Order: sequence, then structure tokens, then C-alpha cells
Amino acid sequence: DAGVIQSPRHEVTEMGQEVTLRCKPISGHDYLFWYRQTMMRGLELLIYFNNNVPIDDSGMPEDRFSAKMPNASFSTLKIQPSEPRDSAVYFCASRSSFTANEQFFGPGTRLTVL
Amino acid sequence: KQEVTQIPAALSVPEGENLVLNCSFTDSAIYNLQWFRQDPGKGLTSLLLIQSSQREQTSGRLNASLDKSSGRSTLYIAASQPGDSATYLCAVVPMEYGNKLVFGAGTILRVKS
Repeated sequence: DAGVIQSPRHEVTEMGQEVTLRCKPISGHDYLFWYRQTMMRGLELLIYFNNNVPIDDSGMPEDRFSAKMPNASFSTLKIQPSEPRDSAVYFCASRSSFTANEQFFGPGTRLTVL
Repeated sequence: KQEVTQIPAALSVPEGENLVLNCSFTDSAIYNLQWFRQDPGKGLTSLLLIQSSQREQTSGRLNASLDKSSGRSTLYIAASQPGDSATYLCAVVPMEYGNKLVFGAGTILRVKS
């Protein structure tokens, strides 16, 4: 199994630009999570999906952030327009409701907004 | 609101020592607790998952215990090696949220050769 796949691994952009982060969950997993990690706030859940449907987006910081899951094997997190305070590492994770509820994380995308 | 605290924030030990990392959480109503390892610039690797009905889990040199009533978990690492150097994160899934992992800030471990 390839594990959770994220792209790009690194992204450097300028303030005001649109940023799209991508995630492919582990095949067969029906839950997908987006997390953000910063030095100041640690790891925080942004949004999660179950069977491609957004269930809880209370962690999404503001309207500039949006996430979609058009099918079971792909999700995107979009920031438009980006700001320097969005600089962080963004992780995608997935799990199966048919196993022990263990979440498996991707390698993350390190975003730098100049 | 569930809060997770990890002590110590950083730990440096000589190779070969047995060590204990601590995790505490404020609300005992949890589904499970998960220990992760994070290497610098890398993602999170799941080490052990303890369901709320379990007391401990073991994997190789790692043993994690859970005392739900007191809101505590420990991760025991036997015969530490330089390759164990990493940040160790503890996270719980509160029953209040169902799926959301609430993380501690982590313990930075350095094992000196």
C-alpha cells in the first residue's frame, strides 16, 4: 500500500495567490482529514469528510479556505487568497471505519506564503 | 473542551536507557488514544493505538498504557537508540467529537550515542 499521498511536498507562493493542496487517501478508507501544523498552535484539525461528504468544517480558519472531495480517492484544500499567516505544514490523513479508528497521515505539504 | 498535555517538552538521554513519556488529557470520555512519532520535516507515523476499553498496547520496544479514569497515558521506550530521536505526539479522540484527534504539543526526544 502506498499510504496517503500528498502533493506538492513544498509550495512557495506570494501573498494573494491561490494555493491548491492535493491528497489521495489510502484505498478503501472512508474518512479523510485535513490538519494544519504550526509552531504556535501545534496540530489542528481543519475539516474532515466521511464517504466524500464534509462532516465538520469548524476548524477551517476563514472563508479563504475551502476543501472538496469529488471522489473517494481525491481531495483538495484550497486557499484563496493566501496570506503569510497561512504558512504552515498541511497534513492529510485517512482512516477506515471498519478497523480500529487508527488515522494514517501523509508526508505533508510545507506551504510558505511570502 | 478536551486538552492534551505532554511532559516533558524535551528529553535528552544516553543510548540504552529506558524512558517514559507522559500524556495527560482533561476529559476521560474518549474513544481511543494514539501515539505518533514525527521526524524533522516529515509526516506522522502511528506507533500505537489504545482503545478506551484497553489498558495497554505493545509493539517491539514500545509499550503504551492508558488510565482513562485519571486521564493519563505513558509511552515506555526500552533500551533507547539514537534512531529513536524524534518528536513523540499523543492524541485522543474525544467522545464529544467522534472523529477529531486532539493533539498534545509533543515531547522532543534526543538519544545520544
